[in-house]
Amino acid sequence: GENVEQHPSTLSVQEGDSAVIKCTYSDSASNYFPWYKQELGKGPQLIIDIRSNVGEKKDQRIAVTLNKTAKHFSLHITETQPEDSAVYFCAASPSWGKLQFGAGTQVVVTP
Amino acid sequence: DSGVTQTPKHLITATGQRVTLRCSPRSGDLSVYWYQQSLDQGLQFLIHYYNGEERAKGNILERFSAQQFPDLHSELNLSSLELGDSALYFCASSVAGSMNTEAFFGQGTRLTVV
Repeated sequence: GENVEQHPSTLSVQEGDSAVIKCTYSDSASNYFPWYKQELGKGPQLIIDIRSNVGEKKDQRIAVTLNKTAKHFSLHITETQPEDSAVYFCAASPSWGKLQFGAGTQVVVTP
Repeated sequence: DSGVTQTPKHLITATGQRVTLRCSPRSGDLSVYWYQQSLDQGLQFLIHYYNGEERAKGNILERFSAQQFPDLHSELNLSSLELGDSALYFCASSVAGSMNTEAFFGQGTRLTVV
């Protein structure tokens, strides 16, 4: 089955700086890669996703890149703000399967 | 608000007891997925139902069972509870029969077994 590794486990950034979270996956059949943000006491919220036929996708301050050959994908947050503080999860899924999540990254944005 | 509703939000029960967690998917979504989130295990897939039928099972214990009803809401039944079952339980829903499309999570049920 799919195995997703996520790094780093914690990330502390100054407000206004960029944050980058990296994930690798094992199953070459995976073709859908969403990112979720989980705030304290809440459920995971989908923030951006990318499919394997696309190399990069951007939505305002958030961007995701995918390298299918290397089987890794990354989340980039620019101009970080205190409200970006949360746990971020990457995930991967083949067309027929479930989402396999990474272990999560605790992002702390300090003013 | 994701549109996925889970009840109850919190549940405290004793070891050996049985509880039922409820999930109402977003309007129009046919799939319901259950996940368990504990501190040391992350988000673990339990089970998937699509339009009333079981589609896939993950690391779900035999003491746990689920079903999806004709109105598409789902229930997760946990029995013979142990201390280690304490966790957040999330359900998610999607339109399609797999999580290869956008899936939306509820706010979760926090289960504490004492």
